[in-house]
Amino acid sequence: QVQLQESGPGLVKPSETLSLTCTVSGVSTNSRSYYWSWIRQPAGKGLEWIGRISTSGSTKYNPSLKSRISMSVDTSKNQFSLNLTSVTAADTAVYYCARSDWLSLDYWGQGTLVTVSS
Amino acid sequence: EIVLTQSPGTLSLSPGETATLSCGASQTVTSTHLAWYQQKPGQAPRLVIYATSSRATGIPDRFSGSGSGTAFTLTISRLEPEDFAVYYCQQYGSSFGQGTRLEIK
Repeated sequence: QVQLQESGPGLVKPSETLSLTCTVSGVSTNSRSYYWSWIRQPAGKGLEWIGRISTSGSTKYNPSLKSRISMSVDTSKNQFSLNLTSVTAADTAVYYCARSDWLSLDYWGQGTLVTVSS
Repeated sequence: EIVLTQSPGTLSLSPGETATLSCGASQTVTSTHLAWYQQKPGQAPRLVIYATSSRATGIPDRFSGSGSGTAFTLTISRLEPEDFAVYYCQQYGSSFGQGTRLEIK
């Protein structure tokens, strides 16, 4: 059974870096069949695709966030991570990790709320 | 970057009726790259349709997808109470539409 679980600080100060980790079970992050993705959702608003990474480290990022994003995969821990630098209140959202096959986001984590505030 | 626009913003229907949700793209979208997701309050989104018209695992056949090019549709027949939610279309590996809220009339 494929499961994903986000983890990381729930509160980040403005101008600092938001760091989240997604722990995957039931499938290997080393699989070449999947990408590993991040999506976020501000309260009461729609979904925003952040980006994705493959097991080889190939990435594709949302152009509007590209300058502030980095992603990585740790196959030894079966995890992948998101770093978002220079955060502001506009980055406050529920952050989801998800598995992406070649066609869709087929498995999602439950989401984690990150608030940017001093 | 392709922009997806969903309509209507809110759709009010009764159980048993048929819902038709639209997703328009600013440029042509490859049909294999268009998916639909359902999100209920407090929950993560759930894949409903992938590759324009293929139902995800566990999705009842009341759900169907169609379309090509820049116009795509999600149709939900014989609405059940559990179908009322927000639905998003997405171009694979890119942006989502703004969502359509399907609410009970």
